[in-house]
Amino acid sequence: DVKVTQSSRYLVKRTGEKVFLECVQDMDHENMFWYRQDPGLGLRLIYFSYDVKMKEKGDIPEGYSVSREKKERFSLILESASTNQTSMYLCASSLPDSDTEAFFGQGTRLTVV
Amino acid sequence: GENVEQHPSTLSVQEGDSAVIKCTYSDSASNYFPWYKQELGKRPQLIIDIRSNVGEKKDQRIAVTLNKTAKHFSLHITETQPEDSAVYFCAASMGGSASKIIFGSGTRLSIRP
Repeated sequence: DVKVTQSSRYLVKRTGEKVFLECVQDMDHENMFWYRQDPGLGLRLIYFSYDVKMKEKGDIPEGYSVSREKKERFSLILESASTNQTSMYLCASSLPDSDTEAFFGQGTRLTVV
Repeated sequence: GENVEQHPSTLSVQEGDSAVIKCTYSDSASNYFPWYKQELGKRPQLIIDIRSNVGEKKDQRIAVTLNKTAKHFSLHITETQPEDSAVYFCAASMGGSASKIIFGSGTRLSIRP
């Protein structure tokens, strides 16, 4: 059974703080993704990684960076958190082929105050 | 890059009736089109998918159709039941291992008893 685990379910941070969101998957998947989910906007891709140390920008990378030092772990970093980054963040992983299922983590609800 | 548009944003149907959700995509190179269901407070999960070499796929009460020429695909749910109430997301992905999965904005489906 595939498991994608995000380190926190809820997080409250102050404006200007550096924030780390962690995601770990246990199925040896090559591809990992970070999305943010906002009402009416769906799931918007922030960054994805198709291999260790490899990353590509998604549609909304501004204000974010990522790190993938190990295959099973993909971290999303908010360099200087702002209130407009308050959102639900979802991590996902999948096998390397384009036509395979993506498995999602449970989500992290981040509030920046 | 790929852009996926999804309609309607909300849909309310009588229990037992059918529901249809439509999506269009912009990049003709996309060749995989999954649909995800997200129940309240839960993570998105794959319910059905279709590849570009297939025009229609059915799994019990749900079916997906694809029109490559028009670049649109649709989800059909027949004999709707209360447990079908959820947010549904369509997505599109291209070939290759370093392939993004781009999602639509979501449809909130409500089933009226």
